Amino acid sequence: DVKVTQSSRYLVKRTGEKVFLECVQDMDHENMFWYRQDPGLGLRLIYFSYDVKMKEKGDIPEGYSVSREKKERFSLILESASTNQTSMYLCASSLPWDTTYEQYFGPGTRLTVT
Amino acid sequence: AQSVTQLGSHVSVSEGALVLLRCNYSSSVPPYLFWYVQYPNQGLQLLLKYTSAATLVKGINGFEAEFKKSETSFHLTKPSAHMSDAAEYFCAVTSNRDDKIIFGKGTRLHILP
Repeated sequence: DVKVTQSSRYLVKRTGEKVFLECVQDMDHENMFWYRQDPGLGLRLIYFSYDVKMKEKGDIPEGYSVSREKKERFSLILESASTNQTSMYLCASSLPWDTTYEQYFGPGTRLTVT
Repeated sequence: AQSVTQLGSHVSVSEGALVLLRCNYSSSVPPYLFWYVQYPNQGLQLLLKYTSAATLVKGINGFEAEFKKSETSFHLTKPSAHMSDAAEYFCAVTSNRDDKIIFGKGTRLHILP
């Protein structure tokens, strides 16, 4: 079974703090993704990575950065957390599209910034 | 550009009744289409996918969806709703030009006893 794990289920941080959200997958997937999920807005892509040390901006990268030093790990970084970054953050991984077409999701991290 | 539109942010059906969740897509190239489900406090999991083979796709938990190119639709159905079907459902599209998926805004399915 593919497993995608996220470091925290719930996180509370203060405005201005630097926040790290960690994601690990155990299936040797090349692709990894970070989304945020907000009511009524669905999932919006923040960043994705096709390979180690590679990253590309998604639809809403402002205020976020990412790091992928190892194939299995993809970190999302909020350099200076703000209240409008309070959200559910979902990590996903996948093989390249010419194989399975499916993304596998972690359980999510609900981040509250106060 | 690709997009998906899910009609109805909330749908309520009685237990045992037909479930119909609507999804329309827009894509300039042949699409691949997906339905994902999210149960409370969990991540998303794939229900079913259309990848240009059979237009009627069967998924897990008794769900199925039909790809209709002429209507640009990919509606999700289940003949008889069960209480355990209560969840949020997301329609999604990709063109296989890159590895990104575009998700709809989701439809929350409520099952009435």
